[in-house]
Amino acid sequence: EDKVVQSPLSLVVHEGDTVTLNCSYEVTNFRSLLWYKQEKKAPTFLFMLTSSGIEKKSGRLSSILDKKELSSILNITATQTGDSAIYLCAVGFPNFGNEKLTFGTGTRLTIIP
Amino acid sequence: ETGVTQTPRHLVMGMTNKKSLKCEQHLGHNAMYWYKQSAKKPLELMFVYSLEERVENNSVPSRFSPECPNSSHLFLHLHTLQPEDSALYLCASSQVRSAYLNEKLFFGSGTQLSVL
Repeated sequence: EDKVVQSPLSLVVHEGDTVTLNCSYEVTNFRSLLWYKQEKKAPTFLFMLTSSGIEKKSGRLSSILDKKELSSILNITATQTGDSAIYLCAVGFPNFGNEKLTFGTGTRLTIIP
Repeated sequence: ETGVTQTPRHLVMGMTNKKSLKCEQHLGHNAMYWYKQSAKKPLELMFVYSLEERVENNSVPSRFSPECPNSSHLFLHLHTLQPEDSALYLCASSQVRSAYLNEKLFFGSGTQLSVL
């Protein structure tokens, strides 16, 4: 069965700290790994990683895909209170001619001022 | 603002009620999705419409009935729900490219549903 596991489930750090969130997966025919940030209700897209793009960076956020270890990390440096959110990892793979996207349960990140 | 609007934001209904959730996207996308998000569980895909045709139904109970009248609008009709159906229902859209649905989804803010 296809599976996406995120760790830790929750994390509380002080403003200014650096955090690393983990995502591991077991899927057949992996195609992509995506990170979303969910503040309040609507998840918003952060990064998509594929075999042709295993590292992405945007400001204080960066993500790396390790296809050998079937995992990805999301790094946030110099954290701010606005980074408090649930971070969702999802893996995309072909499914009978269509794309299927399987999500993990998320990591709840809380930044203390 | 993600360009995907869901209404209502909150809904409380009894098990014998009939209600509908509405989703509208202003992004020109041609695929729309319903996801269910329960506490401490991963987002679960319920329905996918690509080019207004339903392409996936993940064995969702028949008390949930989707409708996609055009590429911009998506509905989820609810009837005789159970308390365990209480959850956040998220709508999303994406642009289909080649043979694959685009993984980059744009989500609405969801409808928080409580079934009493």
